[in-house]
Amino acid sequence: DIQMTQSPSSLSASVGDRVTITCRASQDIVNYLAWFQQKPGKAPKSLIYSASILQSGVPSKFSGSGSGTDFTLTISSLQPEDFATYYCQQYNSYPITFGQGTRLEIK
Amino acid sequence: EVQLVESGGGLVQPGRSLRLSCTTSGFTFGDYAMSWFRQAPGKGLEWVGFIRSKTYGGTIEYAAAVKGRFTISRDDSKNIAYLQMKSLKTEDTAVYYCTRDTVFGVAISESWGQGTLVTVSS
Repeated sequence: DIQMTQSPSSLSASVGDRVTITCRASQDIVNYLAWFQQKPGKAPKSLIYSASILQSGVPSKFSGSGSGTDFTLTISSLQPEDFATYYCQQYNSYPITFGQGTRLEIK
Repeated sequence: EVQLVESGGGLVQPGRSLRLSCTTSGFTFGDYAMSWFRQAPGKGLEWVGFIRSKTYGGTIEYAAAVKGRFTISRDDSKNIAYLQMKSLKTEDTAVYYCTRDTVFGVAISESWGQGTLVTVSS
């Protein structure tokens, strides 16, 4: 199975900040990587697929990059609604696997 | 508007069965692949399985933890995806989500349902 490792596990930031979350795959997944946002008690929301393509309706403040084994999610100009847990996911091969999540908290 | 509504969750004893439904609207269900995920209380997301559209053979993939116990199916005439769960274990306790994936037979989750809670306990 492909292991996905996110860093950091938690992150404190202020409104207006720009933050970056890193996701590393245990083997080459090309660009078959997605990012999701989840708020407490809510279903996840799909943000990005193919490492850098925004899902429909997702604001351009979210951006993704990377290929191979190293990927990043960047969120610019943080707003209160952006504070949530973020997950990366690889879909290069089965089983599909997730990172452990990065909890983004308000400083 | 794309809508997915999971139902069928509840409290069930270990070893028993349960069937979850994912009722959809707002899109041509038969054209899309569908996935199931779960999230144990306080834990991260876990992939359960994936069913392709008939265009891509309707083939199914399962996570090792559920293979042989869970069955994913779809009824394109009713716009519903199912997750039949048998021989349930306490570790299957989780919120179960369905997702609408792509029309290309690739497991890229685009839209999520609200989830349904399954509690396996005696």
